[in-house]
Amino acid sequence: SYVLTQPPSVSVAPGQTARITCGGNDIGSKSVHWYQQKPGQAPVLVVYDDSDRPSGIPERFSGSNSGNTATLTISRVEAGDEADYYCQVWDSSSDHHYVFGTGTKVTVL
Amino acid sequence: EVQLVESGGGLVQPGGSLRLSCAATGFTFSNYNMNWVRQAPGKGLEWVSYISSSSSSIYYADSVKGRFTISRDNAKNSLYLQMNSLRAEDTAVYYCARPLFGGFQDYWGQGTLVTVSS
Repeated sequence: SYVLTQPPSVSVAPGQTARITCGGNDIGSKSVHWYQQKPGQAPVLVVYDDSDRPSGIPERFSGSNSGNTATLTISRVEAGDEADYYCQVWDSSSDHHYVFGTGTKVTVL
Repeated sequence: EVQLVESGGGLVQPGGSLRLSCAATGFTFSNYNMNWVRQAPGKGLEWVSYISSSSSSIYYADSVKGRFTISRDNAKNSLYLQMNSLRAEDTAVYYCARPLFGGFQDYWGQGTLVTVSS
């Protein structure tokens, strides 16, 4: 089965840039989606199809995807960005499975 | 406004059964595929099951195959998850979510907690 690997944690000072990676075999050939989850809340989609943003998501959230690594970038980090972030792909070659990454806790210092 | 509201969670003994429901409002439910996704306490997200809009295609994660059954009633705008032979490792918050073409979930419910314990 397809595996997506994320760093367990990323720490960033307010106003700086946070980069969260999502590693997977030839992930660049797949569409990658990113979710933000705050404690006790449901996940919220922040980036879809590698780099598109749903309405209402700040431009500070951006994504890229190439080779074996996809990246979610949060610019000008704010205290409210502190959350868990998950990448996700749809592995159509594996019986229609939806695969989530291991998750990254972003801490704003 | 799109809303997904799960219900039916609770405490159940190992080997027991539980049926989860997800009530959908704010969109034409019969036009959309649906997913169940779960999250064990302190753990990450895990996809559980998928059902197409007409129920013609159904898929399960290996961890629940043969024990869980997904279904829907488009007349009632509702999604279900019948969970049998429950194990301690099935303890989790269960979310219903709406997947769009490309595989991303654009809306999620608030989740319902299932605890499997004696």
